[in-house]
Formats: sequence, C-alpha cells, structure tokens
Amino acid sequence: DAMVIQNPRYQVTQFGKPVTLSCSQTLNHNVMYWYQQKSSQAPKLLFHYYDKDFNNEADTPDNFQSRRPNTSFCFLDIRSPGLGDAAMYLCATSRGRSGANVLTFGAGSRLTVL
Amino acid sequence: AQSVSQHNHHVILSEAASLELGCNYSYGGTVNLFWYVQYPGQHLQLLLKYFSGDPLVKGIKGFEAEFIKSKFSFNLRKPSVQWSDTAEYFCAVTSNTGGFKTIFGAGTRLFVKA
Repeated sequence: DAMVIQNPRYQVTQFGKPVTLSCSQTLNHNVMYWYQQKSSQAPKLLFHYYDKDFNNEADTPDNFQSRRPNTSFCFLDIRSPGLGDAAMYLCATSRGRSGANVLTFGAGSRLTVL
Repeated sequence: AQSVSQHNHHVILSEAASLELGCNYSYGGTVNLFWYVQYPGQHLQLLLKYFSGDPLVKGIKGFEAEFIKSKFSFNLRKPSVQWSDTAEYFCAVTSNTGGFKTIFGAGTRLFVKA
C-alpha cells in the first residue's frame, strides 16, 4: 500500500544534541509537510515543501530546518533541541497545494529531550 | 486570528450511546472542513470532509457531520457508538482567506466503554 513512513518512531536526545527525523512517501505527492504536536494541543504546521520549493511558517523557530533531497524523502533537523521541543512530529503529504487537498499522515516520531 | 475550537477534550460514552462532537471555526470566506481520526497506535486519517453542496456529509463507519454556515460549526455525529470508535478526533479547516494550509483543532479523545 502507498503510504507515509516516519523514522524513528521514538527518539530520545539530550538537551542541545542535534536530531534528524525522516519521512518517506510512496504516493508521489508533490507536497510534504511537517507538523509539531504537543500533548493535548492541535498539530501546528512548521513548514512544507511544494516540490523543491521550501515554505517556512512565520513563527517556526530557526532551530528547525528541513531538507527534501528528492520527491520521496523529507527530513526535519532540530539543531539544538530544548526541553520545549519535546513533542510528536508528524509528516504529511498531499497531492497538490489547495484547500481541497486531503492530508495523508505518517505515524509520527515522538521526540523526548533529556 | 484564524482558529478551530473543539468543545470537549475528553468524552466517555457507553456502547450504543449517541455521539456529538462540537467544532467551531473562526474563518471568513469559503471554507473546506474535515474530520480526521487517530485510532490507538495508528496514524491520523481522514474520517470525512465537506467542500460544497449538501451540508450533511457522511463518512466512514457510520459517522456524519453537518456544516452550519451561520454558526461557523461542523459537528461530528454518530447515532450509536461502538467500542472500536475509541480514538482521538480532530476537526480541521482550510479557507480561501488562509491559503491552502490545514488548521487543526486540539482534538477530542473519545473513550467508549464496552
């Protein structure tokens, strides 16, 4: 089945130690998104790629970066994780970039910062 | 600011009880409305969506939702819940004033007692 795969499912890191989360998709979708979800809060969009075009949300901290080396893969880099960055990170894809597009999600990567 | 509000964070029901989960949004203009569901241990997935036409939309597993434009609401309903409906439910919105971005509510955790 076509799907969105996130690795790792669980990541534990130390305060300030860089972390990379990965996302791959077999849907051939043009758009890939990264959401941050903290406990009991709404998923919050960090940024997205439309093909190779990177789009950062205005309130996304500089500590968060992303790479999309090809259509299938997208990475989330957290350069210096703080305790406040502990969260579930969700990767999602959509075919295009319109309000009518349905998002397809991965299972998420849960980040713990010690 | 554009936002999505879900009235209940936690709901506990017995099997066969009726369900209604509230969702209100604060967008102007044309909206597209979604309910996503996350079953325990699984990824977020689409339950149903409304783009236009009949304001009463039906989704999978017997769920339905009604768009009431005058109330800025898109409440989710099911006449008789089952234990397998235990999950977290997220209301989401895109609008022509918010671009294509999907904005989520904080979610409602539903627990159905067998």
